[in-house]
This record gives sequence, C-alpha cells and structure tokens, in this order.
Amino acid sequence: DTEVTQTPKHLVMGMTNKKSLKCEQHMGHRAMYWYKQKAKKPPELMFVYSYEKLSINESVPSRFSPECPNSSLLNLHLHALQPEDSALYLCASSPSTSGGPGELFFGEGSRLTVL
Amino acid sequence: AQSVTQLDSQVPVFEEAPVELRCNYSSSVSVYLFWYVQYPNQGLQLLLKYLSGSTLVKSINGFEAEFNKSQTSFHLRKPSVHISDTAEYFCAVSADSNYQLIWGAGTKLIIKP
Repeated sequence: DTEVTQTPKHLVMGMTNKKSLKCEQHMGHRAMYWYKQKAKKPPELMFVYSYEKLSINESVPSRFSPECPNSSLLNLHLHALQPEDSALYLCASSPSTSGGPGELFFGEGSRLTVL
Repeated sequence: AQSVTQLDSQVPVFEEAPVELRCNYSSSVSVYLFWYVQYPNQGLQLLLKYLSGSTLVKSINGFEAEFNKSQTSFHLRKPSVHISDTAEYFCAVSADSNYQLIWGAGTKLIIKP
C-alpha cells in the first residue's frame, strides 16, 4: 500500500474545463513534488514544494497551478489544458528538503486525458 | 551536470533465468544512485539505493545492484526472475547540491513463460 494517496485515479476533461488533482501524505515529509509522465518515458519534474513553499517550477505553463495548503496536502489545479497535456501525473514526497539523497515516495498517479 | 544512460529499452528473459539491467551515469561530483520500479498502471516504487558504504546493495525481493565508481555504473541484477517482475525499471541519480533526480530512459523487463 502506498502512503501517498492521489485522487482521482482517472480524469477526463475538455480544454475549457477547470479541474484539480489532489495528493496527500502522512509520513511527515516536508518536500512534495509533482511529476508528469508520458507513456514509456521517465517522469518529468514539474514543481517542488519545501515546507509548503514553492521552491522549484520547471518552467511549467501557467495552465498548471500548484498549491500546497499544508504539509500533508498538495494540489494541482488544471485550466485550459491541451490534448498534449494528457499524461500520468505523479505526486511524490521526500524526507529530504535540502538536497542530498533523492529518495522519493510516489503515489499511484492520476491519469489525465484532455479531449 | 549529471546524466544517466540505460542502454537497453527492453530486456526479454525467460522465467527463472538471470537478468542484468544496465545503468551508466556521468557526473563530476559524488552522486547517490537509485533504481525505481514501475509496475503496469502504477506509480514508481524505490527498489534500491546507494548512498554510501558497501557498494553492493540488495532489495527484499532478490534484486541487487553494485556501484562501480571506476566504470560509473550501477547495474541491476537478479539471479532468477519471476513473472511478477514484469515492469519498467528506471535508474536515477541525484547530487548533493539539488533536489532533482536525473532519470534514465527506463528499461522494460519482459518475462517470457
């Protein structure tokens, strides 16, 4: 069983819709991540939060808007997405917040389809 | 900057046969090394990690990997695979200076009955 929970598992949305992906962890980790993974590819880093503050934004388009309401929760707000944004979105957490070993704990992902 | 190379995109192997998945990296600084596994329709799970100390690291399900600094490699091995090992395996490195894991392209392990 994963200790990082992502909802929903599947999401289909139109290009004009607004939706959100949610992630929750109760391991006391203070670093949380959003990754995007296309089929048969490694995950691509999107955002990193450290102590609830955005610390890394990998030049992600503004149609993706992250939010970290508290140390256990991470959201990804989606608006005006494009079909090429269809992918598996993975949330992860880490006990390391200041560099060093990058051991990540992943959720099972939210599979997004944009029509 | 670091980079990771997984030369084999797919490795087919018969059940109960041994397997080696290759991973090479390049870096000008010391790195930490990881193998992650992704089973079909799931997220990624940490399989093995090398942080320091013994260069041979083992997982609870029979996989092992050896850090070879001179060859800049971290190959993953299992002496006898099972059908349940069917998955995508990603090698990754991180350096002390940043958060980021640098990922290899992944190797799909295909177990033939």
